[in-house]
Amino acid sequence: QSALTQPRSVSGSPGQSVTISCTGTTSDVGGYNFVSWYQQHPSKAPKVMIYHVSKRPSGVPDRFSGSKSGNTASLTISGLQAEDEADYYCCAYAGSHTLIFGAGTKLTVL
Amino acid sequence: QVQLVQSGAEVGKPGASVKVSCKTSGYTFSSYDISWVRQAPGQGLEWLGWSSTYSFDTNYAQNFHGRVTMTTDTSTDTAYMELRSLTPDDTAVYFCARVASGDWDFDYWGQGTLVTVSS
Repeated sequence: QSALTQPRSVSGSPGQSVTISCTGTTSDVGGYNFVSWYQQHPSKAPKVMIYHVSKRPSGVPDRFSGSKSGNTASLTISGLQAEDEADYYCCAYAGSHTLIFGAGTKLTVL
Repeated sequence: QVQLVQSGAEVGKPGASVKVSCKTSGYTFSSYDISWVRQAPGQGLEWLGWSSTYSFDTNYAQNFHGRVTMTTDTSTDTAYMELRSLTPDDTAVYFCARVASGDWDFDYWGQGTLVTVSS
C-alpha cells in the first residue's frame, strides 16, 4: 500500500496560515474518520496534534485545526510561530487493523 | 504519568534478528493497544503493525508479513517487536506507540530505538 500523498514542503511567515493536505483513497482517508496528524522535530518522537480528523488533544494550541473532504484531509496552522517549524505527517486507518502514513511535509517558518 | 521506555540501540548483521522492547507505565496496560512505527534515516514514518494487549491479536503491514512478530507481556506491561532476516534497508529508528482501542491514533510514543544493520 502506497503512502498517503502530502506536499513535500510548505512555508509561511510568522503570523501567517498554512495548510497541509493529505490525499488518500476511499479505502483509507475517505473511508473512515480516523485521520490523525503528527508533528516531529529533528531527532524527536512524533507528537499527535490532531486526531479523529479534527479533534485537538489537551495542550495542543487551537492554532492547529484539521478537516476532511472526500479523500483529502487537511491540517491548518494559523498564526505561525517559529516553533511550528517541523515535519508533519498524516496517518489514516485503512480498515482491518491497518494504518498508513503520509510521506511527510516539511514546514519552514520564514 | 504515561511513559513508554524502549530498549537501547542495537546492531545486527544481515540475516540476523533483532528484538526491541517497550516498557510501559502510568496506565492500565491492557486498556490500550500498541503499534510499532519505524523511520529510516532522513525518511518518513512507516507503520509496521499493531498488537492488542487485551486479546493478543496482531496485524502486520503487508511489507513485513512473515518477518515481524509483535508480542505483549501483561505481567511486566511490556511490548516487544522482533524483526527477522535483517537487511541494511531495515536500518532505522523503531518507535512503539500507544493506541486507544478502536481509536486508531497514537497518543503516546516511546523515545525510539536505533537499529543498525551492518556486516
